[in-house]
Amino acid sequence: QVQLVQSGAEVKKPGASVQVSCKASGYTFTKYALHWVRQAPGQSLEWMGWINPGNGNTKYSQKFQGRLTITRDTSASTAYLELTGLRSEDTTVYYCARDADTGGWFGHWGQGTLVTVSS
Amino acid sequence: DIQMTQSPSSVSASVGDRVTITCRASQGVSSWLAWYQQKPGKAPTLLIYGASSLQGGVPSRFSGSGSGTDFILTISSLQPEDFAIYFCQQASGFPRTFGGGTKVEIK
Repeated sequence: QVQLVQSGAEVKKPGASVQVSCKASGYTFTKYALHWVRQAPGQSLEWMGWINPGNGNTKYSQKFQGRLTITRDTSASTAYLELTGLRSEDTTVYYCARDADTGGWFGHWGQGTLVTVSS
Repeated sequence: DIQMTQSPSSVSASVGDRVTITCRASQGVSSWLAWYQQKPGKAPTLLIYGASSLQGGVPSRFSGSGSGTDFILTISSLQPEDFAIYFCQQASGFPRTFGGGTKVEIK
């Protein structure tokens, strides 16, 4: 079955960078887009960007342009999110999510990774 | 960006009640609309895609309707496991955007 397993919680200081990984299994990694979505406590969901693991093409939300990099390692079936210049507002849970077979909605999600930004 | 507006933000209901949640897009998204359920501390799960198609394994008491800018999620007979937060999401364009969520609470 499809599984997306994310790396563990992180605590970072303001201005630092964080990398979160998302290891995929149970399907052909290069066949489906992977997205990153974040959710602040008690808030809605916010799409950050996506990667086509097949060719490495990416697209980012304008909000995160310049701070966000999404990459992948096809040999490890793993996607990565790197966010730089962390600030307190970046304290949220970060999810990776895979396109469904049926379209551009998110049929499979990772378990989430809490990133806390605190001095 | 396409703004997604859900209403109500919360609803109190009893087991067996019929619950409807609406989602309005700031511009037409055709049928590129999905609904998710999220329980505390968990990732969202896909309920409805293409505005009205039921994701595999989702109980038939869930249904979706609408197209263009106005959409509805209906739970025909609320069950104890349905108390959760529900989000709509448009997949018509980038950035993908979500509604603010509707919390379904026990009356």
